[in-house]
Amino acid sequence: QSVLTQPPSVSGAPGQRVAISCTGTHSNIGADHLVHWYQQVPGSAPKILIYGNTNRPSGVPDRFSGSKSGSSASLAITGLQAEDEADYYCQSYDNSLSGLVFGTGTKVTVL
Amino acid sequence: EVQLVESGGGLVQPGGSLRLSCAASGFTFRNYWMTWVRQAPGKGLEWVASINQDDSAIHHADSVKGRFTVSRDNTKNSLYLQMNSLRAEDTAVYYCVKIGYNDYNLDYWGQGILVTVSS
Repeated sequence: QSVLTQPPSVSGAPGQRVAISCTGTHSNIGADHLVHWYQQVPGSAPKILIYGNTNRPSGVPDRFSGSKSGSSASLAITGLQAEDEADYYCQSYDNSLSGLVFGTGTKVTVL
Repeated sequence: EVQLVESGGGLVQPGGSLRLSCAASGFTFRNYWMTWVRQAPGKGLEWVASINQDDSAIHHADSVKGRFTVSRDNTKNSLYLQMNSLRAEDTAVYYCVKIGYNDYNLDYWGQGILVTVSS
C-alpha cells in the first residue's frame, strides 16, 4: 500500500524538463522526514537517485535535482535523455506506521 | 564494493513457508539497519520489514505482521526473512536493501529474488 502520491506518468521530448511530484502527510514528509528518490529501469533493481531531499550520490548526473516543501517533494529532470526512460519512486519514513513508505511510482517516457 | 545477494525464493503453495536469505559484503554489516522491500508483478514498491543493528528495533508492515519475521546474524553478515502462511498476494520480487545514515535512505539494493505463491 503506497502512502505517498505521485502522478502515474510524465513525458517530454529530449532536452526538455519534466518534474514529478510526491505528496505525503503530516506523519511522513510533513513530519520533517527526508525524501529520497529511486530510478528503476524495467527488469532491474531500483537505484538511489536523490537522498536527503536534494543530494545526489556520486555518479548521478546533475540533470537530476530534488526539492521539498511542507508535505510534498519534487524530482526534476532537466535536459531529458532517452536513457532517463524509467520508473521513479519517492520514499520517506512514516511515524504512524513506524516504517518506510513509498510513492505510487511515475513512469517517465521520452517522446 | 557493496554486494547484497538474495537466495531462497521459488514456488510455494498457499499456506506454505519460505525463508529468504541475503548475504552482504563490502561494508561493515553490523553497523547498519537493513530492510526487505517487495514488488508484485507490474506493481510499485512496498516496504516489508526492517531491523536495526542489534535486533533491538524490528518493524513489519501491517500486510505481513504475524506471518513474516525479519532477523539477522551479524557473525555471518546475513539478513533473513521467514515467511509463513503465504498467500497469493505475497507473490513478488523481494529485495534485500541496506539502509544508509540519512533518515532511512536505501543506498544499496540486491538484485531481487522472485517468490511465487500458487497452487
